[in-house]
Amino acid sequence: DAGVIQSPRHEVTEMGQEVTLRCKPISGHDYLFWYRQTMMRGLELLIYFNNNVPIDDSGMPEDRFSAKMPNASFSTLKIQPSEPRDSAVYFCASSLVGRLSPLHFGNGTRLTVT
Amino acid sequence: AQSVTQLDSHVSVSEGTPVLLRCNYSSSYSPSLFWYVQHPNKGLQLLLKYTSAATLVKGINGFEAEFKKSETSFHLTKPSAHMSDAAEYFCVVSLNNNDMRFGAGTRLTVKP
Repeated sequence: DAGVIQSPRHEVTEMGQEVTLRCKPISGHDYLFWYRQTMMRGLELLIYFNNNVPIDDSGMPEDRFSAKMPNASFSTLKIQPSEPRDSAVYFCASSLVGRLSPLHFGNGTRLTVT
Repeated sequence: AQSVTQLDSHVSVSEGTPVLLRCNYSSSYSPSLFWYVQHPNKGLQLLLKYTSAATLVKGINGFEAEFKKSETSFHLTKPSAHMSDAAEYFCVVSLNNNDMRFGAGTRLTVKP
């Protein structure tokens, strides 16, 4: 199993540009999560999906952020327009059903908005 | 409500000495508890998980954690630190997949 795959690993963009982060979860996992990690705030849950359906997006900072999961093997997190304060590492994670199932994280996308 | 507190933001040990990373949790119900490790520029990796089958849980790389309900603690230990253990460690409490709470993290430094 290749694990959770995120792309790109690094993204540098200018303020106002659209940014799209991609995630391929582990095959067979029913849950997919998007997290953001910063020094100031630590790990923050942005949104999670169950069977491709968004369940809780209360962590999405504002309307500039959107996430989709068109099928079981692909999800995107889009920021439009991007701002310098969006600079962070964004992680995607997936897991099986049930509270005993651990999260499997990708290696993250480091986003820098100048 | 559930929450998790990691009592030390930074722990520094010498190579070959024991490691203790402290975690206290708060939960109204019987929780699941996890420890994750994050090496620089990497995602979080599961070290071990408590599933209520045994209070002493063994994980990867020689780490273990003991669930103490009376103390609401789930401290992570290792008898002898290795240089490769230097990383950030996160304690996580979960009632279910929708409600996982991460601690703020403890950065472990290992001195030669």
